[in-house]
Amino acid sequence: DIVLTQSPATLSLSPGERATLSCRASQSVSSYLAWYQQKPDQPPRLLIYDASNRATGIPARFSGSGSGTDFTLTIGSLEPEDFAVYYCQQRSTWPRTFGQGTKLEIK
Amino acid sequence: EVQLLESGGGLVQPGGSLRLSCAASGFTFSTFAMNWVRQAPGKGLEWVSTVSGSGGRTYYADSVKGRFTISRDNSKNTLFLQMNSLTAEDTAVYYCAKDFAVPGIFDYWGQGTLSTVSS
Repeated sequence: DIVLTQSPATLSLSPGERATLSCRASQSVSSYLAWYQQKPDQPPRLLIYDASNRATGIPARFSGSGSGTDFTLTIGSLEPEDFAVYYCQQRSTWPRTFGQGTKLEIK
Repeated sequence: EVQLLESGGGLVQPGGSLRLSCAASGFTFSTFAMNWVRQAPGKGLEWVSTVSGSGGRTYYADSVKGRFTISRDNSKNTLFLQMNSLTAEDTAVYYCAKDFAVPGIFDYWGQGTLSTVSS
């Protein structure tokens, strides 16, 4: 199985700052990586698919990059509603796997 | 508007069974693969199973293979997950999720249904 390792586990930032979240795969997933946002007591929301494509309705401050084994989710200028847990997920192979999550908290 | 509504969760004893349902609306159900993803209390996301649009192909996580069965009724726009031989490790919120136009991406999610395995 492909293991996705996210870092850091927790990121403490202030509104207006730039956030950089990392996801590393145990083997190449090409560009087949997605990012999701989850707020408490809500289901996840798709943000980015295939490494760099924003899903419908996702603000331009969210961007994704990377290929192979190293990926980054960048939030350009944090809004109060961006503080949540973020997961990466690969669709390169079965089984589909998720990273363990990065909690983005208000500093 | 796409809507996914799960039901069927609850409290069950170890070794017992549950059948989860997910009623879908707002899209052509038979066109898209459907998935179950679970989340144990306070933990991360775990993919459980996928069924193709026709229902002819199914995929399972090793943790549930042989115990869980995914199926769908395209005439009723409903997805199912039959869960047998349940253990405490199966306690989780179970989400149904629709595949995006790109397979393996989950673009719409239900609110989830909690299944608790405990004596």
